[in-house]
Amino acid sequence: NAGVMQNPRHLVRRRGQEARLRCSPMKGHSHVYWYRQLPEEGLKFMVYLQKENIIDESGMPKERFSAEFPKEGPSILRIQQVVRGDSAAYFCASSPDSNQPQHFGDGTRLSIL
Amino acid sequence: GQSLEQPSEVTAVEGAIVQINCTYQTSGFYGLSWYQQHDGGAPTFLSYNALDGLEETGRFSSFLSRSDSYGYLLLQELQMKDSASYFCAVRPSGGANNLFFGTGTRLTVIP
Repeated sequence: NAGVMQNPRHLVRRRGQEARLRCSPMKGHSHVYWYRQLPEEGLKFMVYLQKENIIDESGMPKERFSAEFPKEGPSILRIQQVVRGDSAAYFCASSPDSNQPQHFGDGTRLSIL
Repeated sequence: GQSLEQPSEVTAVEGAIVQINCTYQTSGFYGLSWYQQHDGGAPTFLSYNALDGLEETGRFSSFLSRSDSYGYLLLQELQMKDSASYFCAVRPSGGANNLFFGTGTRLTVIP
């Protein structure tokens, strides 16, 4: 009865490195969403994916950020050439379809040195 | 665009009832959701109002009035473990499937 699984829970990177965040949705869920949360703020939508397709990436920064949800394996949020401002908690959510509530993982706390 | 405003902080006594308000400006949405988030934890789904009126789930109830652009979360018989942040969220209409979250309310329950 596993929920949404994210790893790693904590990730430390130096400026200029790459960060890869992974998300395995709940069993039976084919819709995946990524959100970013800064301290003391609400979650901000980044991207919505279904298997092998990006449906909505209107919340993704234009550069350095990319996401994928391959046919096999977890969804990946990739941040290239990280900067201090990328430090945040990144949450993944999944749902069985777009009309059902989204269930969130425990997040990945990204810290940039 | 969308904007969801919530009080930033609320303090209430254990055993009491507390109401957390959410006022919104949005061009259209499918429904209003509520999430609870403990420090360092994941947002947890609490309640959803697709239509106007009251939805009750145990100690938690949620209300929506589209004509007043207003909703609230009601927590009864408060427990210390209810101390957390609470977020209202909408799924904007027009084809988007993401959630747009409010500013969040930090609830502190005191003995």
